Amino acid sequence: GENVEQHPSTLSVQEGDSAVIKCTYSDSASNYFPWYKQELGKGPQLIIDIRSNVGEKKDQRIAVTLNKTAKHFSLHITETQPEDSAVYFCAASRRPHSGGYQKVTFGIGTKLQVIP
Amino acid sequence: EAQVTQNPRYLITVTGKKLTVTCSQNMNHEYMSWYRQDPGLGLRQIYYSMNVEVTDKGDVPEGYKVSRKEKRNFPLILESPSPNQTSLYFCASSLDPMGNYGYTFGSGTRLTVV
Repeated sequence: GENVEQHPSTLSVQEGDSAVIKCTYSDSASNYFPWYKQELGKGPQLIIDIRSNVGEKKDQRIAVTLNKTAKHFSLHITETQPEDSAVYFCAASRRPHSGGYQKVTFGIGTKLQVIP
Repeated sequence: EAQVTQNPRYLITVTGKKLTVTCSQNMNHEYMSWYRQDPGLGLRQIYYSMNVEVTDKGDVPEGYKVSRKEKRNFPLILESPSPNQTSLYFCASSLDPMGNYGYTFGSGTRLTVV
């Protein structure tokens, strides 16, 4: 099955600096890569996603890049702010050849701390 | 407001005492799923449902049951809870089980089994 590795597990940055979280996946058939942000005491919230036919996607201060050849994708947060402090999860999913639902595999999460 | 509602938020129970965690979504989503979150292990899928009366096992289904009698509700049942089921549980739903959209998660239920 799919295996998603996420690095680093913890990340501390100064306010205003950039943060990068990287994920690798094992199944070359994976075609959808969402990123979730989990704030303390809340459930994960989808913040950005990318599909396998796109190499990069940007939404204000956050961007995601995908390298299908190397099977890795990354989340980039620029001009970090204290409210960006949270746990971030990457995920990869694919549709089985036999049909059925698209199974999602999550990374173990990255705890980002933005220091004011 | 579009949301997934879980209850209770916190629960402490004793080994062997049956419990149910409720989950309800108001977005008319077909797909619903339960995850548990443990330190160092991320989110692991327990059970999922593609529609009413259609449920299947995820990666860690042992010790759990689910039912999907109506589209909006997807309760998680622990018939005989054990301490290794102490965890943070999330219910999630999605418009499209084929994965064209991400998930909407509930706020979580922190369960402690003593």
